[in-house]
Amino acid sequence: AQSVAQPEDQVNVAEGNPLTVKCTYSVSGNPYLFWYVQYPNRGLQFLLKYITGDNLVKGSYGFEAEFNKSQTSFHLKKPSALVSDSALYFCAVRDATGRRALTFGSGTRLQVQP
Amino acid sequence: EAEVAQSPRYKITEKSQAVAFWCDPISGHATLYWYRQILGQGPELLVQFQDESVVDDSQLPKDRFSAERLKGVDSTLKIQPAELGDSAMYLCASSPSVRGSQETQYFGPGTRLLVL
Repeated sequence: AQSVAQPEDQVNVAEGNPLTVKCTYSVSGNPYLFWYVQYPNRGLQFLLKYITGDNLVKGSYGFEAEFNKSQTSFHLKKPSALVSDSALYFCAVRDATGRRALTFGSGTRLQVQP
Repeated sequence: EAEVAQSPRYKITEKSQAVAFWCDPISGHATLYWYRQILGQGPELLVQFQDESVVDDSQLPKDRFSAERLKGVDSTLKIQPAELGDSAMYLCASSPSVRGSQETQYFGPGTRLLVL
């Protein structure tokens, strides 16, 4: 079985400050990890993924995520938040040797205040 | 930039009625997924197609839900009869199959269903 936990329902940060959205996962075998963002009444938009290699993954719109195998975490980060980053963020995992569909976390709402 | 198309964007129906959603994946993408996203939760897989074949429908409520992808391109998801608990966002996604599990899934805008 595979699962994802996003422990924070909401994260609040001031514009210009760094942001972190937390994600931990559980899979058997090697994980493939993804971050998506969802704006109101829209589908999910791909941000970045970790497959293998460098633990720091860079993605769209200045976002990056750090894979930590020992802590089974894949936290999303951005050095300087923008008001336009306010949205719902989902972490997802897939077992490299198993199902190819994604298992999503429950989502974290990011609110960036001007 | 190619996108996954879905229609309708919004659907209001009464319980016990039939509803159908349509999805056109990115051209050339062999794998197609239907997800259901209940408000406040992450998406959950309903059915996965590889070309025209069902790969995984273990979470599809088969007594009322059906899905098809007859020519291995676009797909239709049907609910008959609709129940109040079916109110949700229905998301379609597609991915190429060259690298299997590594591939990114690209999502359409979704169909928001409200059952009254």
